[in-house]
Amino acid sequence: QQQVKQSPQSLIVQKGGISIINCAYENTAFDYFPWYQQFPGKGPALLIAIRPDVSEKKEGRFTISFNKSAKQFSLHIMDSQPGDSATYFCAAKYSGNTPLVFGKGTRLSVIA
Amino acid sequence: DAGITQSPRHKVTETGTPVTLRCHQTENHRYMYWYRQDPGHGLRLIHYSYGVKDTDKGEVSDGYSVSRSKTEDFLLTLESATSSQTSVYFCAISPTGPNQPQHFGDGTRLSIL
Repeated sequence: QQQVKQSPQSLIVQKGGISIINCAYENTAFDYFPWYQQFPGKGPALLIAIRPDVSEKKEGRFTISFNKSAKQFSLHIMDSQPGDSATYFCAAKYSGNTPLVFGKGTRLSVIA
Repeated sequence: DAGITQSPRHKVTETGTPVTLRCHQTENHRYMYWYRQDPGHGLRLIHYSYGVKDTDKGEVSDGYSVSRSKTEDFLLTLESATSSQTSVYFCAISPTGPNQPQHFGDGTRLSIL
């Protein structure tokens, strides 16, 4: 049973375009939803996170949109750049110091 | 970067041999995690620790054991390695408190022939 479903598996976006990655979750007890960015040969790094009492959070070119009723959240990368080319993971966790549950990842390629 | 060191960074070994991976942190965080990353599967939790000598199983714990005798070190052991355990292994840490982020090391690439 996959608790967090992520799509698409891969994404190619033109430089300057908008990259959109979607995630859906099953368990309404999740209360923290981070996104991680991973470059080849490196560990995942926290990019941005949101709690379900907020519908949107923006940090620079990165925005999380959260739809609690649909149990979905998405990452939008505005003005995508070649340096954004990486693998992105959505995740979710229950309250407290519980482990993260990850989506399977999206490989983003931004081409000039 | 969070003070996390994984060792070794790369290892090639043979089926049936024991393997131990080490995660060392300098942040004095209470929580430590071991994940494996495989194409098409994302990151899957193997074991985690919520304090010295306190550990619990994750989603894919079969064939793995862990130990944490000091706050700063979390060891992952494959008692008898199999080819299905060929993977990239990541350690992560997080401090106590609600919604604290997990910080990851740079991984150990393990190949079992």
